[in-house]
Formats: sequence, structure tokens, C-alpha cells
Amino acid sequence: GQQVMQIPQYQHVQEGEDFTTYCNSSTTLSNIQWYKQRPGGHPVFLIQLVKSGEVKKQKRLTFQFGEAKKNSSLHITATQTTDVGTYFCAASNSGYALNFGKGTSLLVTP
Amino acid sequence: GAGVSQSPSNKVTEKGKDVELRCDPISGHTALYWYRQSLGQGLEFLIYFQGNSAPDKSGLPSDRFSAERTGGSVSTLTIQRTQQEDSAVYLCASSRTRAYNEQFFGPGTRLTVL
Repeated sequence: GQQVMQIPQYQHVQEGEDFTTYCNSSTTLSNIQWYKQRPGGHPVFLIQLVKSGEVKKQKRLTFQFGEAKKNSSLHITATQTTDVGTYFCAASNSGYALNFGKGTSLLVTP
Repeated sequence: GAGVSQSPSNKVTEKGKDVELRCDPISGHTALYWYRQSLGQGLEFLIYFQGNSAPDKSGLPSDRFSAERTGGSVSTLTIQRTQQEDSAVYLCASSRTRAYNEQFFGPGTRLTVL
């Protein structure tokens, strides 16, 4: 399958600081999805990237898909306490279910 | 409309017992997935159903695990002779079609095997 590695595993920031999580694969990905899971909650879809070099923005969140379609990143500008949670990237495996990375847990201190 | 629902929300069982976990996907969604999430870990794919096609069972960890989907809607995940290592949150998700579509997750069933 299309295994994806995420780094860092944990990140602790002060409110207002920026945050970035990275997702890497040794193989070319068909597409990549990002999900957020709040503590005690279930994963919620954020976005899907399909095109090489694609960049999408959602308010303070910026998602990028690498030119070679082997990596992706999620950048949050000026974090807020509402950003707390675990961010997962997920890649499709030949059109079937998603292979999820292990996630990056973000803690934001006021 | 209603989201993905799962029942029970919590299940405590004794080692060796069988358990059944239920998932009601969003109406009209043809794809249904089961994942397992252990404490503080990522999501582990278990099984995938797409319409009337044969399910992809490649993620099932042992033959104690099985799942079925009746009428292309409700799905049941069965774990026989539960072991303590089966303790986890079992998440169900559905999407309108096969992969490349947003997956909507249910709230999960927290299984504890004593």
C-alpha cells in the first residue's frame, strides 16, 4: 500500500505561533487527504489534494501537495486553542481505503 | 441529514466473548470502511465495502474478525473470542463512492476487553 509517514509526532506551541506538519511517501501518491481529530472525537475531513504542486487555503490553514506528489504539508498560521487536536494525512491505496499516517498531535497553550 | 451512526458507543466484554459492532452509514453512500484506533495511535484499516462488490478484507488482523454489510447499508463488525489486544476504538466511515472521496466518520465504538 501507499504508506505515509508524518512528522513531527507531537508539537506544542504558544497561541499565535505557526505550526506545520509534514506527510511523506516513498511512492507517488494518487491524492492525499487531511483530517483533524479533536481530543475524544472522530476524524473530520479537512481537504483533498490531487494535482502536483497544488496549494489550497482554508482561512489560517494552508495545504500543499509536492511537485512529485510524494509529500504534503499542512501549515497553520497564528494558531488558536481551537486548533488543538491530531492532524492526519491519508493516501488512497489503489482506489480503496485510505492509509493514514500516525498523525501529528498539536497542543496550543494560551 | 443524519451522519454515520455507530452502536454501541461503549462495550466492555470479557476475554473470550464475541462482540458485534454496528454501523449505519449515511444514506446513499455506497462505500463503507471500518478502522481501528488504539489509544494515541493512528487509524488502522480493517475492511472496505463498495456497493455489491466483494469486500476488501486485507486489513483484518486475524480470522477472529469478520464483517458483513446487508442490503448495501448497515454493516456489522464481529470479533470472536475477544482478546485484550482487541481493546480499541472501532471507527466506521462512509463515502459517496469509492476512494478519492471525503470519508465521513462515525463517533466510534470503544471496546474494552477485560
